[in-house]
Amino acid sequence: NAGVMQNPRHLVRRRGQEARLRCSPVKGHSHVYWYRQLPEEGLKFMVYLQKENIIDESGMPKERFSAEFPKEGPSILRIQQVVRGDSAAYFCASSPSRPDTQYFGPGTRLTVL
Amino acid sequence: GQNIDQPTEMTATEGAIVQINCTYQTSGFNGLFWYQQHAGEAPTFLSYNVLDGLEEKGRFSSFLSRSKGYSYLLLKELQMKDSASYLCAVRDGTGGGNKLTFGTGTQLKVEL
Repeated sequence: NAGVMQNPRHLVRRRGQEARLRCSPVKGHSHVYWYRQLPEEGLKFMVYLQKENIIDESGMPKERFSAEFPKEGPSILRIQQVVRGDSAAYFCASSPSRPDTQYFGPGTRLTVL
Repeated sequence: GQNIDQPTEMTATEGAIVQINCTYQTSGFNGLFWYQQHAGEAPTFLSYNVLDGLEEKGRFSSFLSRSKGYSYLLLKELQMKDSASYLCAVRDGTGGGNKLTFGTGTQLKVEL
């Protein structure tokens, strides 16, 4: 069974560009979570989605960041007009249902020049 | 809100036993998780406690005391490959949510 897949694994953007991060959950999992890990810091929750619904976006910055999990296809985390402070590792996790264990993908390392 | 504390670094000897502590203050507690993370890799699930007591899984055990806001991860028969960061995370089930709040991790170094 394939685990959580994320792409790209590494992404380089210049300030002001857009970054799109993709996450395909474990087959059969309908709950997706995005976390950000800054250098020397712990993982920080950003958003929790089910198919076509945002359940909890309390950790998402109010501006420039958005997330979706469409009926078909991967979940997308979109960062518009990136700034250097957005440089981090972005991890996606999935679970089969709400109270279940979350399994993490390999992450996307975003570097903003 | 959530506050989670764990030691920043620990060092132990191959073959020994090490205990990594985690204390937390939280609202909406709905379980405590331990993950292992090697540098540059994904966090890997190790254990889960929602009730008080000890959960054992091979060389790894995890303990929880909800009244004390305290957990520990016990690693036995340490191997060099156990050198990694160990992340304590608390789940908040408030309002139908399922988010994990992580500590900053304990970097374990296993030496010969």
